[in-house]
This record gives sequence, C-alpha cells and structure tokens, in this order.
Amino acid sequence: RKEVEQDPGPFNVPEGATVAFNCTYSNSASQSFFWYRQDCRKEPKLLMSVYSSGNEDGRFTAQLNRASQYISLLIRDSKLSDSATYLCVVNTGAGSYQLTFGKGTKLSVIP
Amino acid sequence: EPEVTQTPSHQVTQMGQEVILRCVPISNHLYFYWYRQILGQKVEFLVSFYNNEISEKSEIFDDQFSVERPDGSNFTLKIRSTKLEDSAMYFCASSGKDRGIYEQYFGPGTRLTVT
Repeated sequence: RKEVEQDPGPFNVPEGATVAFNCTYSNSASQSFFWYRQDCRKEPKLLMSVYSSGNEDGRFTAQLNRASQYISLLIRDSKLSDSATYLCVVNTGAGSYQLTFGKGTKLSVIP
Repeated sequence: EPEVTQTPSHQVTQMGQEVILRCVPISNHLYFYWYRQILGQKVEFLVSFYNNEISEKSEIFDDQFSVERPDGSNFTLKIRSTKLEDSAMYFCASSGKDRGIYEQYFGPGTRLTVT
C-alpha cells in the first residue's frame, strides 16, 4: 500500500517562530510532490509544489530528498494566519494524476 | 482568480437513494478529479477524468459510482444507492497546463450526509 506519513502534531508555536514539517512517502515511483494546507472543514489549498532542487516561496521553503523519500516544509516568521493543517501530497507514479495525501500536521500559531 | 465551484454545499439523503454532486472546474482545465474525506480522516482519491473518459480510479470507486461531463462546463459524480459509509466531504478538483498539469485545485466541497 502506498502511504504518506506525517507527524500529526499539533505543533503549537508563537508568532514569529520557525517551524518545520517532515513527511516520508513509501512509493518510490512518485514523481510529483506538493504541500497543501487545509483549514478546518475546508478544501485543501495548494501551497507549493516541491522540486528536486528545493524551492522557496516567501516565508515557505520546501525540500525533497528522493533517495530518502523525504519531503520537508519550513515556515519562517510564523503568522497567526498560518494556523492550519499542512498536508504532504505525492502522486502515485510517472504519468499518474492520482494524488496520495498524508493525514496532515496541525499547526497552531499563538499570539 | 478562477476557482472550482461545487453544488450543493451540503446534501442530506436517505440510505439507498441516488445523489448527484456537481462541479464546475476551472474553465481552461482539461483534467478533472473527485476525492473524498471522511470526517477526521485523510483525503482519498476516487477518480480522474480526461478527454471524456475515466483515466484512473481507486478501489473506492466501485460500480455504485459514476462520473460524467454532460456539457462543456459541468462535471458530476453520481452515487447510485448511497450507504451510511458514503457520508463524507466530496471534493472536486481540476488541473491544466496553465498552472502545471499535475497541480490540482480543489473546490469547496459537498458535505454528503447519508441517514
């Protein structure tokens, strides 16, 4: 069974803190990697795609290690609005559009 | 910015009844998907649809489920005879070349309650 594993948290951090989320995936054939965020009872929203070279979007940095099948997300200078569940998501293989979701890591940013 | 829309936002139905969930994908997208999320659990893939046919489906997507693109804008999920365990949030998603073919954008979901 192809799985995506994440620490469920919750992570409770003060505003301005740096927080890191980790994720491992079991399917070595996965080719596409993403971080989504999901607010309570809302839809998943794409935060960023994750590329082999690592990528950054403002306060968010994503890294991918294919050899270890490991993905990370770093959030710098946390804002109250970053409070959400962060979902690690991978596709099931080359040419596949089927996404496999992790259960997510809950983040609460505290004033 | 274009968004995926879904109707209804909440559907209550009795066990054994048929339901149709509706989605309008982002207008220039060509790939369409249905996912579901049972309360407290992870998001699960149901089916992908491209060029008017199913391209992938999961074990969950059995004979009770079907999808259709009846016109140029709508994408529907039908459950023929609902069961209690079909109660979940159903998300429609779409992707296209404009934003990266594998980047899927989700609608706000339809909460299905089967009683």
